[in-house]
Amino acid sequence: GAGVSQSPSNKVTEKGKDVELRCDPISGHTALYWYRQSLGQGLEFLIYFQGNSAPDKSGLPSDRFSAERTGGSVSTLTIQRTQQEDSAVYLCASSLRLAAGELFFGEGSRLTVL
Amino acid sequence: GENVEQHPSTLSVQEGDSAVIKCTYSDSASNYFPWYKQELGKRPQLIIDIRSNVGEKKDQRIAVTLNKTAKHFSLHITETQPEDSAVYFCAAQFSGTYKYIFGTGTRLKVLA
Repeated sequence: GAGVSQSPSNKVTEKGKDVELRCDPISGHTALYWYRQSLGQGLEFLIYFQGNSAPDKSGLPSDRFSAERTGGSVSTLTIQRTQQEDSAVYLCASSLRLAAGELFFGEGSRLTVL
Repeated sequence: GENVEQHPSTLSVQEGDSAVIKCTYSDSASNYFPWYKQELGKRPQLIIDIRSNVGEKKDQRIAVTLNKTAKHFSLHITETQPEDSAVYFCAAQFSGTYKYIFGTGTRLKVLA
């Protein structure tokens, strides 16, 4: 596809379960970002990846959150032992490279923790 | 710390009027300032951006101004139309990192 693809688009889970959210960036884009958007709120930075460099994890809210990027392309955001406050839309974005300017966002994964 | 403040949180204007949204940032070395528009249920999309070596940039009805000394930048929309109704986010890219810190958003309503 031409754009950033995220899956699942919607995920409902029970408190305490683990979830995995997937992001497939635009082909050729080396930078990949994860943001969290709570209802009616702004975009909260979580983590970014650039090529094979160590990711910037400074935005991850707790050690229950982790992310990886395999082969410099697809990324997975994992939330362990989900809590109700984790409910939000998780947005992935890619960019041609760091400091390249425009971020291209996916449609997001809406997570609801019951 | 890294912070971007955005005002107002909501803004209602009559169709045809102008709208102005303002942001301030904390890191004087920040060098890139984009604005994103997010329509209801849609993904954020870049509408205009400015780099620190420029004071103003225009694109049709949209303009952005940057005051580096005061560490603030503004989005100006002229001749507003109903399709301009959306949430607008400012952002800043902080020095020494490539992460973008976003403001909390402004919900713009253009009344027909």
